Amino acid sequence: DTGVSQDPRHKITKRGQNVTFRCDPISEHNRLYWYRQTLGQGPEFLTYFQNEAQLEKSRLLSDRFSAERPKGSFSTLEIQRTEQGDSAMYLCASGLGEGGYTFGSGTRLTVV
Amino acid sequence: DAKTTQPPSMDCAEGRAANLPCNHSTISGNEYVYWYRQIHSQGPQYIIHGLKNNETNEMASLIITEDRKSSTLILPHATLRDTAVYYCIVIGNNRKLIWGLGTSLAVNP
Repeated sequence: DTGVSQDPRHKITKRGQNVTFRCDPISEHNRLYWYRQTLGQGPEFLTYFQNEAQLEKSRLLSDRFSAERPKGSFSTLEIQRTEQGDSAMYLCASGLGEGGYTFGSGTRLTVV
Repeated sequence: DAKTTQPPSMDCAEGRAANLPCNHSTISGNEYVYWYRQIHSQGPQYIIHGLKNNETNEMASLIITEDRKSSTLILPHATLRDTAVYYCIVIGNNRKLIWGLGTSLAVNP
């Protein structure tokens, strides 16, 4: 286990469709974060988990977004009824204690 | 969470030291300063972090002023592969990263 894996790397979907992304964190990391990044901006916080508990959700995470981390290991982020404004890079990061977070390579979503 | 201020862009000659400043004047006593960088189309990469002492690792050095209101990331011998956007972030108890726009560093041959 050498890092954080995200799947898929790229996703093109039609407006109105549902999409689901997966993140596999570093195995011993208890914290897992989702961020969204649009072109030219820094990442925006969406939500985070400590083990399986979702401890905080951003106001950016509308009712169409849901995230889970069922067994405190991998996590999924689902977007329902996608809109063009959802087009972005979705980043997952994991961490443990005071150390730096490790980010995955992201899933680039394009809604057409 | 404390906010950070960074210059939008900087240039550096290859082989020279790159000194990237960051202001975090509202930082509180238990908040750490973290630095990440992001190369185009990749996920952010952790560089270094510190609380109040200066820190050094294989990638960089972090100098934090005594009042902790600002810090400087030093890349001692910049290479072309160090061209990236560098983010300075302050993290509090909730461990949530609040990102600004960062500094776009261009290392020139």
